[in-house]
Parts: sequence; C-alpha cells; structure tokens
Amino acid sequence: ENVLTQSPGTLSLSPGERVTLSCRASQSVRSSYLAWYQQKPGQAPRLLIYGASSRATGIPDRFSGSGSGTDFSLTISRLEPEDFAVYYCQQYGSSPKTFGQGTKVEIK
Amino acid sequence: QVQLQESGPGLVKPSGTLSLTCAVSGDSISSTNWWSWVRQPPGKGLEWIGEIYHGGNTNYNPSLTSRVTISVDQSKNQFSLKLTSVTAADTAVYYCARDHSSSSLDYWGHGTLVTVSS
Repeated sequence: ENVLTQSPGTLSLSPGERVTLSCRASQSVRSSYLAWYQQKPGQAPRLLIYGASSRATGIPDRFSGSGSGTDFSLTISRLEPEDFAVYYCQQYGSSPKTFGQGTKVEIK
Repeated sequence: QVQLQESGPGLVKPSGTLSLTCAVSGDSISSTNWWSWVRQPPGKGLEWIGEIYHGGNTNYNPSLTSRVTISVDQSKNQFSLKLTSVTAADTAVYYCARDHSSSSLDYWGHGTLVTVSS
C-alpha cells in the first residue's frame, strides 16, 4: 500500500496569502497519478487537480499542482475566503487508491 | 451533468450488514469509467473502500476485502455496496463517486451518514 503523508496538518493564514501544501508518498506514484481534493464542512470532496498538475474543469487558475515520483505539492497563489477548507491528496496509480490524512487551511 | 445519489438505511445494528446503492444519472454505468465508494468517519479523513467496472471487475481496500462487496446493476444504471459484520468503527459518511481513469474521482454524491448502533 502506498502511504501518503501530508504536511502540515493545519495552516493558519490570511486571505491574499500564498500557500503550498505538501504530499509525500511512501512509494513512487505511477504515471504521476496524484489528485488533490478540497472539502468544506458538510460537503463532498471536490476534485481540484489530477495527474499531479492538471486542473479539473472549472477550477480557478490560482490553484496549481506540481511534483513527481514521491513528492507532490498544491499551491494556492492567493487565498480567497472560499479557499479555507481541508485539502486531501490521493494516489490512483495503484490499488488501494490511498488518501493522505488531509491539511486544514484555516483563517488566521 | 453527471449526478450520483446514495441511498440506504441510516442506522445499522452491530454485526449486521450495511447496504447502500448509488444511482447514476448523466452517464452510463457501462461507460469506460470505474465506480467507487469512499467513506469518512465523523471528524476524520477519507478512506477508499473499493471500485467496480461495469463488466464486474472489482478492486477493494485490503483492510476491508473480507467484508465488502461492490456490485453493479446495468439495467438500473446503479451500483451498490455491501459491508458485513459492521461495528461502531464503520460509522461514517459513505460517498459514491465516478472514477475517470486518468483524472480519478471527478464526480461525487452528496454522501449519506450510516450509524452503527443498537
């Protein structure tokens, strides 16, 4: 099983700031099949990034993903009020398709 | 627009069987997609349960494989989850989702809370 570790656990930031979230895999992620999801309270997760760096349909360009192998990151260039949420990475290159434990981005 | 909707009992007794169905609209269950179940215990993170292809091929999380079955009903354009011998640890919001092979889980249901309690 490919274990994903996200860091940090929580970030306290202000609107307008830039933020980078990290996701490290215990094994290389095949074909960079790494996705990022955003989840707000009481809502289902929403796909932001797939294939490590491709934005999903309708996702603003302030969200960007990068990385390969075992190290991946999600960057939000300028935090908007609606971006405060929990972010999960997931690898889907091998079964089981594991998730990281999540990073909470909260308002400072 | 692809939509998924979970349905099933919100309360299951310990040692019983959890059964949920996911109705799909806006896409055919027979398309070239996999169909997945994910769960989230209250206040915790996401756990991938497993997936099915319309031909019946399945993949399960090894931590659940002895208790889980995912099946598909092409005539009703839906797929289902069964989890046997449930305990309080299985209390969670259960989501169904479409797994587009190159982009992972691109459409999700709203989720349904299943509580295991006597």
